[in-house]
Amino acid sequence: DIQMTQSPSTLSASVGDRVTVTCRASQFISNWLAWYQQKPGKAPKLLIYEASSLESGVPSRFSGSGSGTEFTLTISSLQPDDSATYYCQQYNSYPWTFGQGTNVGLK
Amino acid sequence: QVQLEQSGAEVKKPGSSVRVSCRASGGSFRSSAFSWVRQAPGQGLEWVGGIIPVFGTTNNAQKFQGRITITSDESTHTVYMELSSLRSEDTAVYYCARAPNVYSTSHAGYFDFWGQGTLLTVSS
Repeated sequence: DIQMTQSPSTLSASVGDRVTVTCRASQFISNWLAWYQQKPGKAPKLLIYEASSLESGVPSRFSGSGSGTEFTLTISSLQPDDSATYYCQQYNSYPWTFGQGTNVGLK
Repeated sequence: QVQLEQSGAEVKKPGSSVRVSCRASGGSFRSSAFSWVRQAPGQGLEWVGGIIPVFGTTNNAQKFQGRITITSDESTHTVYMELSSLRSEDTAVYYCARAPNVYSTSHAGYFDFWGQGTLLTVSS
């Protein structure tokens, strides 16, 4: 199975800060990577697919980059509504696997 | 706009089985793949397994091999997950999730729509 490792596990930032979350795959996955945002008690929400494609309706402050084994999710200017847990997920090969999550909070 | 409506919460005893349903509306059922993703209390997301109804193919995580059956009914646009030999560690919220574009990509594996979740509690 492909293992997905996110860093950091938790981060705290101020409104307006640029925030970066990293996801590393244990094997080459090309650009078959998605990012999700999850708030407590809610289903995950798709933000990015194919590593850098922004899902329709997602604010443009969210962006994704990377290919191969190293990927990043960037929030260009953190907003209060962005407090959530973020997950990466590879879909290069079965079984699909998720990172352990990064909890983003406000200072 | 795709909507995924899941069946209600379940309480089961260890060793028993459960079947959870997910009915899709809107969008194209035939061009979609569906997966089940679970989340244990306070934990992260775990892919359980999935089905591509138009091709009739299923896949699941190895840890569920022999215990999981995923099926679909195209006439009602419904996907089912049956999990047997339940244990306390199966207690979780189970989400149904849709992956689009099975005809236009070799990797139909990101989830653009999710159900509301079904809480399964396994307890004696």
